[in-house]
Amino acid sequence: GENVEQHPSTLSVQEGDSAVIKCTYSDSASNYFPWYKQELGKGPQLIIDIRSNVGEKKDQRIAVTLNKTAKHFSLHITETQPEDSAVYFCAAMISGNTPLVFGKGTRLSVIA
Amino acid sequence: DTEVTQTPKHLVMGMTNKKSLKCEQHMGHRAMYWYKQKAKKPPELMFVYSYEKLSINESVPSRFSPECPNSSLLNLHLHALQPEDSALYLCASSQADRQSYGYTFGSGTRLTVV
Repeated sequence: GENVEQHPSTLSVQEGDSAVIKCTYSDSASNYFPWYKQELGKGPQLIIDIRSNVGEKKDQRIAVTLNKTAKHFSLHITETQPEDSAVYFCAAMISGNTPLVFGKGTRLSVIA
Repeated sequence: DTEVTQTPKHLVMGMTNKKSLKCEQHMGHRAMYWYKQKAKKPPELMFVYSYEKLSINESVPSRFSPECPNSSLLNLHLHALQPEDSALYLCASSQADRQSYGYTFGSGTRLTVV
């Protein structure tokens, strides 16, 4: 089955700096790669996603890149703010009717 | 309505109790999921319902019993739990369509077994 590796497990950045989180996946049939943000005491919230026919997607300060050949994808957050502090999970999915497989998560701390 | 609503938000139960967790969505999603999340870990899939039928059971102990009474509701019945079952239980839903992706998660039920 699919396996998703995520690095780093913790990341501290100064406010205003950029943060990058990287994930690799094992199943070349995976087609959809979402990123979730989870704040303390809350459920995961989808922040951005990318499909396998797209190499990059951007939404304001957040961007995701996908390299299908290397089977890795990354989350980029620019101009980080204290409210970006949370746990971020990457995930992969083969199709809409197969389960989502999560990476182990990255705890991001933005220091003011 | 673009939310998944879970009740209760917090639950403390003894090992001999029977309780139920409830999940509701009104987005027309036909797949619903139960996940278990321990502290500092990713969500772990427990059950998947697709069109109100149980399609995946990830070898979950029988003390957890899921139920999908209709396309909007998902329950998780709990009986004779152990302290190690204490966790955040998350419900999610999606369109169950091969070409439609994206899960919506609820905020979870924080379960403590004493």
